[in-house]
Amino acid sequence: LAKTTQPISMDSYEGQEVNITCSHNNIATNDYITWYQQFPSQGPRFIIQGYKTKVTNEVASLFIPADRKSSTLSLPRVSLSDTAVYYCLVGDETDKLIFGTGTRLQVFP
Amino acid sequence: NAGVTQTPKFRVLKTGQSMTLLCAQDMNHEYMYWYRQDPGMGLRLIHYSVGEGTTAKGEVPDGYNVSRLKKQNFLLGLESAAPSQTSVYFCASSYRGAGANVLTFGAGSRLTVL
Repeated sequence: LAKTTQPISMDSYEGQEVNITCSHNNIATNDYITWYQQFPSQGPRFIIQGYKTKVTNEVASLFIPADRKSSTLSLPRVSLSDTAVYYCLVGDETDKLIFGTGTRLQVFP
Repeated sequence: NAGVTQTPKFRVLKTGQSMTLLCAQDMNHEYMYWYRQDPGMGLRLIHYSVGEGTTAKGEVPDGYNVSRLKKQNFLLGLESAAPSQTSVYFCASSYRGAGANVLTFGAGSRLTVL
């Protein structure tokens, strides 16, 4: 299982764009990159998943460079409700998933 | 659809007591997982199952047992509860291996062992 490294915490203000970078130097050929969001006292919720280049959905974008050794979750114009812990995970279809400690994002008014 | 349902939501046990947490999913998912989350920490995988009748150990399996007799249900048992097992337990399921598929989580079961 490829391990991931991401910042422990980040601060932002409402309306700003937030970019959270995850390092996964030993990612394997068949691995996907997936991000989850977790609010206090709730289970994690899927945000976005990608394999290469760029993926965009209604809530976020995921940028993956050609070497796939890192990825960046981009949250456009964050609001107070985006305050949460964000987890980056790497794995393939045969994997169980091991969560790290995630990045704690605090959005201020 | 209900998704992933965990029962009970809250439970208080005394040291040495036993209990079972039930996870039920209605999405016909093959894979199911049990995680625990201690305050301020990330999720740690306890046990998981890749299909009906199968189980496997995760990162922190000691003190827990699991069973997957039916595809839609994944049970987590504590035979002799200890204070160190005080935690929030999350069940999750996915169509296939969660690395390439979306994990759907339940709302969690908060367990306190006195």
